[in-house]
Amino acid sequence: EVQLQESGPGLVKPSQSLSLTCSVTGYSITSNYWGWIRKFPGNKMEWMGYISYSGSTSYNPSLKSRISITRDTSKNQFFLQLNSVTTEDTATYYCARFTDTVAFDYWGQGVMVTVSS
Amino acid sequence: DIVLTQSPALAVSLGQRATISCKTNQNVDYYGNSYMHWYQQKPGQQPKLLIYLASNLASGIPARFSGRGSGTDFTLTIDPVEADDTATYYCQQSRNLPWTFGGGTKLELK
Repeated sequence: EVQLQESGPGLVKPSQSLSLTCSVTGYSITSNYWGWIRKFPGNKMEWMGYISYSGSTSYNPSLKSRISITRDTSKNQFFLQLNSVTTEDTATYYCARFTDTVAFDYWGQGVMVTVSS
Repeated sequence: DIVLTQSPALAVSLGQRATISCKTNQNVDYYGNSYMHWYQQKPGQQPKLLIYLASNLASGIPARFSGRGSGTDFTLTIDPVEADDTATYYCQQSRNLPWTFGGGTKLELK
């Protein structure tokens, strides 16, 4: 069974970087696509970006140059880094898998990240 | 960006039909497929895929859930509604980057 699990700090200071890890079991990240989605307080959801089976990436332009998604295939993990965070980056962060239809069929449990001094 | 509009809330009685709508400001059809998907999210849980490509039931989802629509107008139907269906339902388009979500419809029981 495909399982995803996010991990990382729950509190980040403004202007610092947010770094999260998504650990995948039951499926290789060298197949299909792997993305990050966040849900803000108030329920708005935002797709942040993805990394493909080949390692190519795509990002939401709203995040401009602040975001980076990388991977470690030997550990079957992929990573999110979001730079220069502000309080507006406070959200629950999810990692998820999607296929060619771009429907997110497997999700992690999510990790709540608060940006506060 | 493609904007998806959902009604914030819907109240239905147990055993009745719930119809949740999602309207887009651009056509999400492409080569015979509608790139619209539906998710259910309960408090404290991750979203669960219900319907993909507008009308295809995801694995393990009961047939009480169905989706239809094309172009810019889509609906998710739950019939009959059960108590466990109280949740927030989101639509999501994958026709154009950046992929976007609707604001969610909270389904409550009368």
